[in-house]
Amino acid sequence: GNSVTQMEGPVTLSEEAFLTINCTYTATGYPSLFWYVQYPGEGLQLLLKATKADDKGSNKGFEATYRKETTSFHLEKGSVQVSDSAVYFCALTYSGAGSYQLTFGKGTKLSVIP
Amino acid sequence: GAVVSQHPSRVICKSGTSVKIECRSLDFQATTMFWYRQFPKQSLMLMATSNEGSKATYEQGVEKDKFLINHASLTLSTLTVTSAHPEDSSFYICSASPSGTYEQYFGPGTRLTVT
Repeated sequence: GNSVTQMEGPVTLSEEAFLTINCTYTATGYPSLFWYVQYPGEGLQLLLKATKADDKGSNKGFEATYRKETTSFHLEKGSVQVSDSAVYFCALTYSGAGSYQLTFGKGTKLSVIP
Repeated sequence: GAVVSQHPSRVICKSGTSVKIECRSLDFQATTMFWYRQFPKQSLMLMATSNEGSKATYEQGVEKDKFLINHASLTLSTLTVTSAHPEDSSFYICSASPSGTYEQYFGPGTRLTVT
């Protein structure tokens, strides 16, 4: 079956530090890959996505590249801010039985300190 | 665009009562809506997939008679937790997929507390 593995948190960084959150996946076929962000007490927001190999998703300074050869979709940001503190979820979707269900990783909590 | 709302955002109910949570797609039509449950510091657990006009498909281990899902229109799905117990206390999140796409847009979640 499909699965997503992302690095265990929590991750604590100082402001302006470089961020990497690793994500690898197992899936049949060619899934689409996503990063979602959840701020405290809120639902999930789509951060970025990539739909095919070598695609790079980017948004708000965050980037992730769909690497089929390593089945990875690592999230990076060059300089984090306090406002980036949140939980980040890697996810994939693969059409099955006519619907597109998301499979989530366990989430990585990021705390950015001034 | 692609805004999903949930109501209420927080609800406290007594054990044994039922509570209904609404999920609405505000600016698009959603053939498919999903209901998730999130435990503290954990990932989202898919409870069921709801298709407009048909019965919901429940994930293994989710009691369909306890968690009633209705998707009567292309913009509204409801989750009713029947005979709620304290162990049902959780954060419930819905998502909606615009018709013809695979993307999911999430609601802000509903915090249910059963006393």
